[in-house]
Amino acid sequence: DTEVTQTPKHLVMGMTNKKSLKCEQHMGHRAMYWYKQKAKKPPELMFVYSYEKLSINESVPSRFSPECPNSSLLNLHLHALQPEDSALYLCASARGDNEQFFGPGTRLTVL
Amino acid sequence: DQQVKQNSPSLSVQEGRISILNCDYTNSMFDYFLWYKKYPAEGPTFLISISSIKDKNEDGRFTVFLNKSAKHLSLHIVPSQPGDSAVYFCAASESTGNQFYFGTGTSLTVIP
Repeated sequence: DTEVTQTPKHLVMGMTNKKSLKCEQHMGHRAMYWYKQKAKKPPELMFVYSYEKLSINESVPSRFSPECPNSSLLNLHLHALQPEDSALYLCASARGDNEQFFGPGTRLTVL
Repeated sequence: DQQVKQNSPSLSVQEGRISILNCDYTNSMFDYFLWYKKYPAEGPTFLISISSIKDKNEDGRFTVFLNKSAKHLSLHIVPSQPGDSAVYFCAASESTGNQFYFGTGTSLTVIP
């Protein structure tokens, strides 16, 4: 299994909703990442988990809350989002030799 | 401050010809570089990598060149095919770090 899966593929939510994005990999990778990507822009790093511990938080607002329940799973909990948070949210994992494997992303729309 | 730059937002090339995509970086501590390809509404797909101990890495139609003194890398696609039309991102990292820095992307269009 050499892929990163993300669910859901699409999500529409209101500003008062609470939702979660999920990411899973079974490649034994110890680093997992959340990125946010707006159209025609490079992915912006949000969070990095290394060995299930949060190692990098790129000054992301608290309405985004990451969670790493185990070495294969990464969640991103969403609450009280704003319309400008609408974007493609990408999960990635890395073995440690730097090559990243990206998931297909979740297209999030906040109304 | 953008540490990785792709100064050409777009590039058009005839099918069969060579596509050359360029990337510059400012941090001399970067020693590992990646190229990604991205189709609309999809996640980036890893294409090819190079570490600073090499100056060239080849994989089929794709070759990446690294010029450490100029802090410059380039991706050559030969021959270009219509299916290569996508946005290409370069990314860089330090081997001791977890973080990747991405360029802003170059949109390649290969004209049949």
